[in-house]
Amino acid sequence: AQTVTQSQPEMSVQEAETVTLSCTYDTSESDYYLFWYKQPPSRQMILVIRQEAYKQQNATENRFSVNFQKAAKSFSLKISDSQLGDAAMYFCAYRDGNAGGTSYGKLTFGQGTILTVHP
Amino acid sequence: NAGVTQTPKFQVLKTGQSMTLQCAQDMNHNSMYWYRQDPGMGLRLIYYSASEGTTDKGEVPNGYNVSRLNKREFSLRLESAAPSQTSVYFCASQGQVLPIETQYFGPGTRLLVL
Repeated sequence: AQTVTQSQPEMSVQEAETVTLSCTYDTSESDYYLFWYKQPPSRQMILVIRQEAYKQQNATENRFSVNFQKAAKSFSLKISDSQLGDAAMYFCAYRDGNAGGTSYGKLTFGQGTILTVHP
Repeated sequence: NAGVTQTPKFQVLKTGQSMTLQCAQDMNHNSMYWYRQDPGMGLRLIYYSASEGTTDKGEVPNGYNVSRLNKREFSLRLESAAPSQTSVYFCASQGQVLPIETQYFGPGTRLLVL
């Protein structure tokens, strides 16, 4: 079974600074997808960024970017120019790419990292 | 366009009571999922429905049943609630839009079992 590990239970950053959240995963598959979700105090799960394993180029979405290291099975999230609204729990998630298999569409989540942004 | 909706938002049950959590999506998605989120843990999959008419167990199915009523609706039932089922429950749906299929989540239902 696939596992996802977020080794940082809590992180903090000053407003306008940069912070990196870590995620490692374990899988024997070669085709898969990785996601970062944000969960603010409202508890709504919001997709931040996603990465296809077959793509070498790291995904970026405005101030959010990832460092995807397939060989190391590492998928970190970098938040640049941090804003107060970035404060939330962040979850890393994994999904097999085998749409026809038994693991179709199912997400495996890490334990989450609480990000605090200081003004 | 409401996306994924869940009812109720919050519920208190006594041990042994039953209840059904409702989920509906208006995005014409084929797949729907139920997750639970416990303190200090990520979301864990309870049941999923890859398409209308099919349901399958996820990682933590014990104590739950599901019904895929139609393409829009996917309900989760607790037949005899236990304190260990105190959690926040999320429903999600997923379409077939390539190049990547993304799950969209509802706002969650907070359940307290006394």
